[in-house]
Amino acid sequence: GIQVEQSPPDLILQEGANSTLRCNFSDSVNNLQWFHQNPWGQLINLFYIPSGTKQNGRLSATTVATERYSLLYISSSQTTDSGVYFCAVDLMNTGNQFYFGTGTSLTVIP
Amino acid sequence: EAGVTQFPSHSVIEKGQTVTLRCDPISGHDNLYWYRRVMGKEIKFLLHFVKESKQDESGMPNNRFLAERTGGTYSTLKVQPAELEDSGVYFCASSSLGGRNTEAFFGQGTRLTVV
Repeated sequence: GIQVEQSPPDLILQEGANSTLRCNFSDSVNNLQWFHQNPWGQLINLFYIPSGTKQNGRLSATTVATERYSLLYISSSQTTDSGVYFCAVDLMNTGNQFYFGTGTSLTVIP
Repeated sequence: EAGVTQFPSHSVIEKGQTVTLRCDPISGHDNLYWYRRVMGKEIKFLLHFVKESKQDESGMPNNRFLAERTGGTYSTLKVQPAELEDSGVYFCASSSLGGRNTEAFFGQGTRLTVV
C-alpha cells in the first residue's frame, strides 16, 4: 500500500542545535512538499521539492526521488521552530491528492 | 496576494447540528482540495475540485458530508448532522492547473469541535 513515513516521530532540541528530518515514500512522486504546522494549527509551506535541493534561510531540503526519500534540515534551531513538520507527497500512480506522513513533532527548548 | 482563506477558524457545535465550512482559494487557482486531521491522526484527503466539478471525492467519509463549489470560486463543506468523530481540523488547499507538479497552498484550517 501507499506509505509515507516520517522520522523521528518526536524530537527535542536545545536552541542552536541542528537537526535532520526524514520522509520516506513508497512510489515515484509528482510533487513533494514540506509543511510546518505552527502552534495555532496553521500549515505553513516550507518547500515544494519533488526533486533536488532548496534552501531558505536556516532551512534546506533535499529530495532524492530515485531513492524515494526527502530530508529537511534545520540549522541553528530557534524556539519558534517548534511544531509539527509534515511531509506530503503526490504519488504518480494514484489520484491527484497528497498523502501526508504522520509528522515529526519538534520541540526547541531555550 | 491573499492566500487560501478558511472560515470560521474555530467552530464548536453540538452533536446532530449542522456546520458549514468555507474556503476561498487563491484567485485563479482551479484546483481546490479539502483535507482533514481527526483525533491526532494523519492528515487525509477528502475531495478535489477542478473549477466547479468534483474530480475525486473518494476520501469523503460518508453522506453526512457535502462539498460544493458553485461558480468555481469558493467552496463549502457541510457536515449534517455532525457526529463526535467529525471533530478535527479541516484544511483547504488550492493550486493552479498545470499538471500535478504544481505547488499547493493550504489555508489555516478550521478547527471543528463536536460536543
